[in-house]
Amino acid sequence: EPEVTQTPSHQVTQMGQEVILRCVPISNHLYFYWYRQILGQKVEFLVSFYNNEISEKSEIFDDQFSVERPDGSNFTLKIRSTKLEDSAMYFCASSEWGGIDNQPQHFGDGTRLSIL
Amino acid sequence: DAKTTQPNSMESNEEEPVHLPCNHSTISGTDYIHWYRQLPSQGPEYVIHGLTSNVNNRMASLAIAEDRKSSTLILHRATLRDAAVYYCIPLGSYGGATNKLIFGTGTLLAVQP
Repeated sequence: EPEVTQTPSHQVTQMGQEVILRCVPISNHLYFYWYRQILGQKVEFLVSFYNNEISEKSEIFDDQFSVERPDGSNFTLKIRSTKLEDSAMYFCASSEWGGIDNQPQHFGDGTRLSIL
Repeated sequence: DAKTTQPNSMESNEEEPVHLPCNHSTISGTDYIHWYRQLPSQGPEYVIHGLTSNVNNRMASLAIAEDRKSSTLILHRATLRDAAVYYCIPLGSYGGATNKLIFGTGTLLAVQP
């Protein structure tokens, strides 16, 4: 069964540094998402992306965050100047469609980001 | 967004059925009811979704109350691998909009051998 893959599985970064989290969504999917989960807390929506544009973003997704689909297969989340509170599991997800068809989202196993 | 209420935790024995309830009394008429689960150290996993009628798939069944204010996820024979946090998520069916998932705290299901 096709899977969403995320790399690296664990990223350790100094505060203030830039970090890029990478995802390879399922190949025929058109909608892409990032979520995060701080240890012991709920999974939180960050951003959704379709047709090379951000469709929706949450309040968490401020100017230090950006997303990109640099080629036909990768989907990346960049955090420009990391803060201690950015430490979390970051999950990428993709769905075949969004909107009216209510397509399920398929998640990767996440990247654990640790900010020192 | 519709508010959901789920038990914090439930326990089951292996190979027995499990009924996981969810109250979503403020659900709108066009919201689907989605269920996801999150196994330890993994990303969320889609389980099932429905609108009004009961639904079955290879993983589970979803029973939706006639007034749609509650639903029950049914695992017919729990296995140790079903130990996870189960999330009930109402999701709007919006033409052209994205479907961000809003996760609550879910129900932590423990399965005893």
